Amino acid sequence: AQSVTQLDSQVPVFEEAPVELRCNYSSSVSVYLFWYVQYPNQGLQLLLKYLSGSTLVKGINGFEAEFNKSQTSFHLRKPSVHISDTAEYFCAVSESNNNDMRFGAGTRLTVKP
Amino acid sequence: DAGVTQSPTHLIKTRGQQVTLRCSPKSGHDTVSWYQQALGQGPQFIFQYYEEEERQRGNFPDRFSGHQFPNYSSELNVNALLLGDSALYLCASSLELAGPYNEQFFGPGTRLTVL
Repeated sequence: AQSVTQLDSQVPVFEEAPVELRCNYSSSVSVYLFWYVQYPNQGLQLLLKYLSGSTLVKGINGFEAEFNKSQTSFHLRKPSVHISDTAEYFCAVSESNNNDMRFGAGTRLTVKP
Repeated sequence: DAGVTQSPTHLIKTRGQQVTLRCSPKSGHDTVSWYQQALGQGPQFIFQYYEEEERQRGNFPDRFSGHQFPNYSSELNVNALLLGDSALYLCASSLELAGPYNEQFFGPGTRLTVL
């Protein structure tokens, strides 16, 4: 079965600095990859997804991620963060042959002024 | 479009009791999945319902059961509650025929506290 590891539980960063949130996955079959954001007391919102094709995926709010099959990674990046980006970010993987989506433990991004 | 809605927002129960959580999917969606998110953890897949049947199940005991109604809404039932069942329960809906991957839209969740 597939699994996801988010390498950083917390990432503090100053406003307007770049950020990278790291995600590695394991699976024996082809996968779909996702990043979700969760603001306090809210559900999950999809930031971006990789299904196939170009390995560089652009999402909402200026985020992008790159699928690296050889390193089994799907790191999330933003060139300049805002205070409003403070939230919990989850990487998730779904194998192409089942409906069980696996989530990482999450990375708390805190943007400081 | 109201999106995915869940009720109640919060719930407090005691050990051994039973609980029912409800979910209305996004308009036009026919598939509902349930997740448990313990404090400080990522969501864990409980099960998915499609055409009023449980299609796939995660690693959860039989105390967790569900139902999907003809209007695609769904219920999650948990029997014999344990302290460890305290969590945020998320419902997600999707459209089966949406394409190579049917994107899931999440509701705000129901916060269950077991005392």
